[in-house]
Amino acid sequence: QQQVKQSPQSLIVQKGGISIINCAYENTAFDYFPWYQQFPGKGPALLIAIRPDVSEKKEGRFTISFNKSAKQFSLHIMDSQPGDSATYFCAASRETSGSRLTFGEGTQLTVNP
Amino acid sequence: NAGVTQTPKFRILKIGQSMTLQCTQDMNHNYMYWYRQDPGMGLKLIYYSVGAGITDKGEVPNGYNVSRSTTEDFPLRLELAAPSQTSVYFCASSYARRGQSTDTQYFGPGTRLTVL
Repeated sequence: QQQVKQSPQSLIVQKGGISIINCAYENTAFDYFPWYQQFPGKGPALLIAIRPDVSEKKEGRFTISFNKSAKQFSLHIMDSQPGDSATYFCAASRETSGSRLTFGEGTQLTVNP
Repeated sequence: NAGVTQTPKFRILKIGQSMTLQCTQDMNHNYMYWYRQDPGMGLKLIYYSVGAGITDKGEVPNGYNVSRSTTEDFPLRLELAAPSQTSVYFCASSYARRGQSTDTQYFGPGTRLTVL
């Protein structure tokens, strides 16, 4: 079973704090790990992605940390803002499956002002 | 570019009714996907298509059918609607090259379906 497990299900952070969302996967053939952000009433949109040949990728306030041996990856949101309040999905795919993504269950992030 | 558009935005069906969810993309993407999103369950792939005339089952295909006669359109058909099909449905598209898994999927705004 190609599963991706995500935690926590919900997260409340104060403005300026660090938000951390974790994902774990089972299939070692996965070679692409994106994070999608979804605002209420909208479709998900790609936020940031990483491949397993690097352990970290940073784009602005968003960082993915990747631990290949533990089969885990996480999203860190630095200086969290109320505008970051959304649902975040981790996902994974493997080259031989084309672009089919296996998604985690999602994390609803609320950043209080 | 409008991106990925979906119609309708909302729909209420009675048990046993049928309907088609429409999806169109104007980005000339070869891959298209249908997902359903249920609370706390993430997005589950229903069907996908790698090009016109080619479709394949995803993780949860039962109760649904698709067709892909053009590059732009990928309708999802629900036959004999059941309460278990109450969900939010998202269509997505991507430009995928053979053997490459790193292509961004672009999602539509979704269709909220309730089956009573």
